[in-house]
Amino acid sequence: DAKTTQPTSMDCAEGRAANLPCNHSTISGNEYVYWYRQIHSQGPQYIIHGLKNNETNEMASLIITEDRKSSTLILPHATLRDTAVYYCIVRVEGGGSQGNLIFGKGTKLSVKP
Amino acid sequence: EAQVTQNPRYLITVTGKKLTVTCSQNMNHEYMSWYRQDPGLGLRQIYYSMNVEVTDKGDVPEGYKVSRKEKRNFPLILESPSPNQTSLYFCASAPRQGAGGSGYTFGSGTRLTVV
Repeated sequence: DAKTTQPTSMDCAEGRAANLPCNHSTISGNEYVYWYRQIHSQGPQYIIHGLKNNETNEMASLIITEDRKSSTLILPHATLRDTAVYYCIVRVEGGGSQGNLIFGKGTKLSVKP
Repeated sequence: EAQVTQNPRYLITVTGKKLTVTCSQNMNHEYMSWYRQDPGLGLRQIYYSMNVEVTDKGDVPEGYKVSRKEKRNFPLILESPSPNQTSLYFCASAPRQGAGGSGYTFGSGTRLTVV
């Protein structure tokens, strides 16, 4: 069973913030929320991850709800180059097969001029 | 430059003709993995390796073999390819299984067509 639920697709205007939601209602206490993206058949690229607190880096911000059942990836000023499939992944860190990176179907984000 | 290198980038082959897709990493990573990507199905893990001579099945291992004789290389072997193995393949490596943060590095992909 999928651990995360994401919308199939979303549109965003260039220069505006893109807010990508992810539902992970069955997340365990030791599981992190990870976001990757894949630009047109290239290899997936790491964006950001978090456990409980909100996180920000040079690419994006990650907002995790207090109950940790959902999160939102925010691209503050989307550009055409941000058009990609965005994957929300819930996983443990450390050894064992639970630490494998398992992808769902993701959200296809289209940034439009 | 730290990278994962896959070869070939594109391959068209015929049913039943054995082929090998190579994957090499220069980061001294212990963990390596193969994925396939198909329209509507996303990325699915085929096999992974936690270290030299240690491999395990992922979600879709049927029809594939792997080997890990040395740390840097993790070839994917299709002994008798079939059209349903037409796909986009990605190799990935990480310092160890379950590595956190930005630890995973992906190759550029191999687009395989089996006719």
